[in-house]
Amino acid sequence: SAVISQKPSRDICQRGTSLTIQCQVDSQVTMMFWYRQQPGQSLTLIATANQGSEATYESGFVIDKFPISRPNLTFSTLTVSNMSPEDSSIYLCSVDVTGLYGYTFGSGTRLTVV
Amino acid sequence: GENVEQHPSTLSVQEGDSAVIKCTYSDSASNYFPWYKQELGKGPQLIIDIRSNVGEKKDQRIAVTLNKTAKHFSLHITETQPEDSAVYFCAVINTGTASKLTFGTGTRLQVTL
Repeated sequence: SAVISQKPSRDICQRGTSLTIQCQVDSQVTMMFWYRQQPGQSLTLIATANQGSEATYESGFVIDKFPISRPNLTFSTLTVSNMSPEDSSIYLCSVDVTGLYGYTFGSGTRLTVV
Repeated sequence: GENVEQHPSTLSVQEGDSAVIKCTYSDSASNYFPWYKQELGKGPQLIIDIRSNVGEKKDQRIAVTLNKTAKHFSLHITETQPEDSAVYFCAVINTGTASKLTFGTGTRLQVTL
């Protein structure tokens, strides 16, 4: 399985500011997935990031709020823009290295907006 | 879209007992069913999965069973240990039409001594 390094592991941010989360994978992957996990809740897919094209966003998530970069096959960033307390969540990136749908997740970024 | 229900939401068992978590799904074309374990402060970790051409799969103390007709699958943990305490998520995907997982709502398992 892949090894995913996600940074930062946690942060406390002021409302109205932005935070960029990094995801580095030890293998080249076609798609990288970004999830949000609100406190005590399940995982919700934000968007799918493909290298060389714009990210595909799920219903309820927009590029202006969650811009994503995917400069190469091992790296992606998710920015949470103009944050409010409702954005306080764990943000996770995920990849499928094998192509068999056994997704690997990073350890997550725990974001608190005050 | 796919809808996944997971029960129970919390489960407390004594060490050594068995634990069973059940998920039902709506899309009969779904064909891959993984289970994830999430410990506090960590990302979800794949612990076992099953594909639609198999009815049961076992890996040491954990097993997953699939009933395609009834559209439900279950995670079975035998001889539970304190380190099994975590939140467990089921997930579903139709690999023919989508590459994204739909997750269940999660089960918090507490194994008590």
